[in-house]
Amino acid sequence: GAVVSQHPSWVICKSGTSVKIECRSLDFQATTMFWYRQFPKQSLMLMATSNEGSKATYEQGVEKDKFLINHASLTLSTLTVTSAHPEDSSFYICSAPGSGSYYGYTFGSGTRLTVV
Amino acid sequence: AQSVSQHNHHVILSEAASLELGCNYSYGGTVNLFWYVQYPGQHLQLLLKYFSGDPLVKGIKGFEAEFIKSKFSFNLRKPSVQWSDTAEYFCAVNSGSGYALNFGKGTSLLVTP
Repeated sequence: GAVVSQHPSWVICKSGTSVKIECRSLDFQATTMFWYRQFPKQSLMLMATSNEGSKATYEQGVEKDKFLINHASLTLSTLTVTSAHPEDSSFYICSAPGSGSYYGYTFGSGTRLTVV
Repeated sequence: AQSVSQHNHHVILSEAASLELGCNYSYGGTVNLFWYVQYPGQHLQLLLKYFSGDPLVKGIKGFEAEFIKSKFSFNLRKPSVQWSDTAEYFCAVNSGSGYALNFGKGTSLLVTP
């Protein structure tokens, strides 16, 4: 079945540095990738939608300059948290829609970001 | 505005008890409905989904859900829960294939032996 590989699983970084999170579709082409953020004990909140070859679409309230999204190929989408601060600490998850009759969604395993 | 509501935030059940988790949505037009489960330390897994057809949907691990259009509901059920069902359950909705999912706040289920 469709698999999305997300790396790293967890990362600790210093305040002010940048962190890149990668999501790769391993056995299918993901023209679209959704990026979510999940706070502890809360739901997943959509941050942005990336489309291969075009600019990402950000949800209201999400800073485009802080959360840089790139969808360089049909199998790779990246989220870079720039100038990270402790309040950016969270669980970030990517998801790609399925194809064909499945119409499901495949989720990455998530990245736990801790900014100290 | 489009929204998804899960009524039960925390549920504690004994093994073999029956489970019903509520999910209501506020969407205009066509909807696709999903239930996902997130076991501790793991990523989201699809339990079941509804796009059209029979409103009673059967999923994995003995779960089922019923789409009641008139009530804008998609409640999740399981006749007899097991300790291994302890997890976070999320209801999600979108308005068509390829659209992002809108998640409810989740229900934390604890099944005690």
